[in-house]
Amino acid sequence: GAVVSQHPSRVICKSGTSVKIECRSLDFQATTMFWYRQFPKQSLMLMATSNEGSKATYEQGVEKDKFLINHASLTLSTLTVTSAHPEDSSFYICSAREGNRGHEKLFFGSGTQLSVL
Amino acid sequence: AQSVTQPDIHITVSEGASLELRCNYSYGATPYLFWYVQSPGQGLQLLLKYFSGDTLVQGIKGFEAEFKRSQSSFNLRKPSVHWSDAAEYFCAVGATTGTYKYIFGTGTRLKVLA
Repeated sequence: GAVVSQHPSRVICKSGTSVKIECRSLDFQATTMFWYRQFPKQSLMLMATSNEGSKATYEQGVEKDKFLINHASLTLSTLTVTSAHPEDSSFYICSAREGNRGHEKLFFGSGTQLSVL
Repeated sequence: AQSVTQPDIHITVSEGASLELRCNYSYGATPYLFWYVQSPGQGLQLLLKYFSGDTLVQGIKGFEAEFKRSQSSFNLRKPSVHWSDAAEYFCAVGATTGTYKYIFGTGTRLKVLA
């Protein structure tokens, strides 16, 4: 079945540094990818929707300059947390959509645990 | 914009008992509806989905869900729970028009007693 690879699975960084998280669809082309943030024991909060070749659409309250999303190809989207601070520590999950509306499938990466010291 | 509510934060059932997890949504039309399960340290796994057609949807692991338009609900059920079903369950709503967007409910944590 379709697989979404998310890397790294865990990252620890110092405050002020930037962290890049990659999300790849391994055996299908994902025209749309989504980035979510999940706090401990809470739900997935949609951060942004990313379409290949165009700018990401951010949800209200999500800082565009803080969370840079690039979707340069049909199989790769990246989320860069710029100048990370401890409050950015969280579990980040990407997902990729396969298929057209009404016949789509959504596949999830295994997530990235970001810890900012 | 769509939204989804899972009224129960925690549910505890005995192994072998039946289970129903509630999900209510808000959307201007009939949305796409999903149930996902997240086990500790693991990713999200799709249990079942509703796009159209038969309102009773069968999923994996013996789960089923029923779409009730009049109640804006998509409750998940299982007739007999197994200890391995203990996990976090998320209901999600997908937009059928406009921007692709999937919104998740707050989740229901299921505990299974032996």
